[in-house]
Amino acid sequence: SAVISQKPSRDICQRGTSLTIQCQVDSQVTMMFWYRQQPGQSLTLIATANQGSEATYESGFVIDKFPISRPNLTFSTLTVSNMSPEDSSIYLCSVERQGDYTFGSGTRLTVV
Amino acid sequence: QKEVEQNSGPLSVPEGAIASLNCTYSDRVSQSFFWYRQYSGKSPELIMSIYSNGDKEDGRFTAQLNKASQYVSLLIRDSQPSDSATYLCAVGKTSYDKVIFGPGTSLSVIP
Repeated sequence: SAVISQKPSRDICQRGTSLTIQCQVDSQVTMMFWYRQQPGQSLTLIATANQGSEATYESGFVIDKFPISRPNLTFSTLTVSNMSPEDSSIYLCSVERQGDYTFGSGTRLTVV
Repeated sequence: QKEVEQNSGPLSVPEGAIASLNCTYSDRVSQSFFWYRQYSGKSPELIMSIYSNGDKEDGRFTAQLNKASQYVSLLIRDSQPSDSATYLCAVGKTSYDKVIFGPGTSLSVIP
């Protein structure tokens, strides 16, 4: 399975600021996915990021709030913009390889 | 109706027993099905993937898929305290497409 390096692992941010989360994969992958896991909840898909095209966002998520970059086949970033306490969650990236989906270690974000 | 539903927990079983976890999905065109285990504070790890009707076994784990009933299950034989975690069912419409997660079932294996 793919090896994913995700950072930062955690951060505490002031409301109104932005945080960029990075995911680096050990080999080229076509699709990368960004999920949010709110406290005590399951995973909710934010968007799918393909290299060379705009990310596809799920209902309830917009590009202005969660801009995503996918500059190449091994790297992606998710930015959480203009943060509020409601954005406090764990954010995870995931990649698909040979039909199986692997997750990064997650970024635990606390907005104060 | 939620896209992926799981039996509500928490589920408690004694050590050595069989734990049975269930999942139903709403989209009939779904083709790929996954079970993940998530320990508290950790990211999900893949246990099993299944794509065809029937059973798939891997060690103490057996996944069962019934597309006609839109049902997928996970059996854990000889449950161990280390199996105590949240189990997440995930469903994809096609291979290599996004997957949607169910709410998860918390399993507790009592020594």
